[in-house]
Amino acid sequence: AQKVTQAQTEISVVEKEDVTLDCVYETRDTTYYLFWYKQPPSGELVFLIRRNSFDEQNEISGRYSWNFQKSTSSFNFTITASQVVDSAVYFCALTGGDKIIFGKGTRLHILP
Amino acid sequence: EAQVTQNPRYLITVTGKKLTVTCSQNMNHEYMSWYRQDPGLGLRQIYYSMNVEVTDKGDVPEGYKVSRKEKRNFPLILESPSPNQTSLYFCASKSGTSEPIPTDTQYFGPGTRLTVL
Repeated sequence: AQKVTQAQTEISVVEKEDVTLDCVYETRDTTYYLFWYKQPPSGELVFLIRRNSFDEQNEISGRYSWNFQKSTSSFNFTITASQVVDSAVYFCALTGGDKIIFGKGTRLHILP
Repeated sequence: EAQVTQNPRYLITVTGKKLTVTCSQNMNHEYMSWYRQDPGLGLRQIYYSMNVEVTDKGDVPEGYKVSRKEKRNFPLILESPSPNQTSLYFCASKSGTSEPIPTDTQYFGPGTRLTVL
């Protein structure tokens, strides 16, 4: 069965600190996609990044970076120099067919 | 602008009064889906549709109905709402596997906050 685990329920950091959100997944599929979504206080779900199972190249986009490691089934997300506007719930998700499985989310508080 | 729209955004109703939440997408996506989000439980899939006239149950389909008569619309129907259906509901769509560049990325509507008294 597919499963996504976000062990960190809630994290608080002071503005400008770096923060990493952890995501561990389980799947028997050989082809799958991994995602990060952001849910700000306004409630919408915003797509941040997608990685397919054949692409282990890590990516940096501005203050965001992602570390995908198949060997440890992890897809971690790092915010560098965090800002108050980064405060949100972040969801890791996995697809491998018709369904998408979400982790339970990590609530990130960036304190001014 | 490519988007998924949902209406209404907020709804307060009473037990047993039938309601419909509409969902529409303008991206010509084959796949559409409904989720509910509850504290501590995350997002759970209610129903999904791979294409017109094709619908399948997700993880929590009880108490819900859907239909997919047109590609762009995927309404969620609660025939007899109950308080345990109070939740935040999201509709989403993505390109299907038959399309030239399937990305498997789901794009979400803004959410509908439903309260059943």
